[in-house]
Amino acid sequence: DTEVTQTPKHLVMGMTNKKSLKCEQHMGHRAMYWYKQKAKKPPELMFVYSYEKLSINESVPSRFSPECPNSSLLNLHLHALQPEDSALYLCASSQPGDVTEAFFGQGTRLTVV
Amino acid sequence: QKEVEQNSGPLSVPEGAIASLNCTYSDRGSQSFFWYRQYSGKSPELIMFIYSNGDKEDGRFTAQLNKASQYVSLLIRDSQPSDSATYLCAVRAGANNLFFGTGTRLTVIP
Repeated sequence: DTEVTQTPKHLVMGMTNKKSLKCEQHMGHRAMYWYKQKAKKPPELMFVYSYEKLSINESVPSRFSPECPNSSLLNLHLHALQPEDSALYLCASSQPGDVTEAFFGQGTRLTVV
Repeated sequence: QKEVEQNSGPLSVPEGAIASLNCTYSDRGSQSFFWYRQYSGKSPELIMFIYSNGDKEDGRFTAQLNKASQYVSLLIRDSQPSDSATYLCAVRAGANNLFFGTGTRLTVIP
């Protein structure tokens, strides 16, 4: 089973809203990632959690707040977003380390209005 | 940000031909290399990974790695219209990071 599940699949939110994106995997992976992907661009790394601790934060604005409550779950809390934050948000997981494959969820298509 | 370079394409090949996709990377410490396929509006799907210099074959796909030249490639033999997608090269250059190239859009013409 190489499934990473993201919810919701689509989200429309206003600039004053607070919402959360969720990601779940049951592959026993201990590294989980958030990526942002704009149209016709590659995925951009936002955050990495390794063993439930934040290990990489790629200078992401504070209106994005990640959380890893346990080894299977990863959340991305959103607050006061801007229209330019509209994108496909991808979650991925892997085993920690230098030579491990990462598997992606289907993504959440976010539109900020 | 680690630099991972790909020709953006589009690359067009006739059905049944070999498609050749190329990727270069800047960080000599990079340890592992991945090819993902992404259909429009969908998430990336892992199709090949390679860690050691040389060739690795899986069905119609062959990944080639040359660490001295900092070069990785993907060959798709007997290309099919269903192979039409964007192919993303990804590089792991340290534990727990994974950086993507800009992607090459491949079109296989029936």
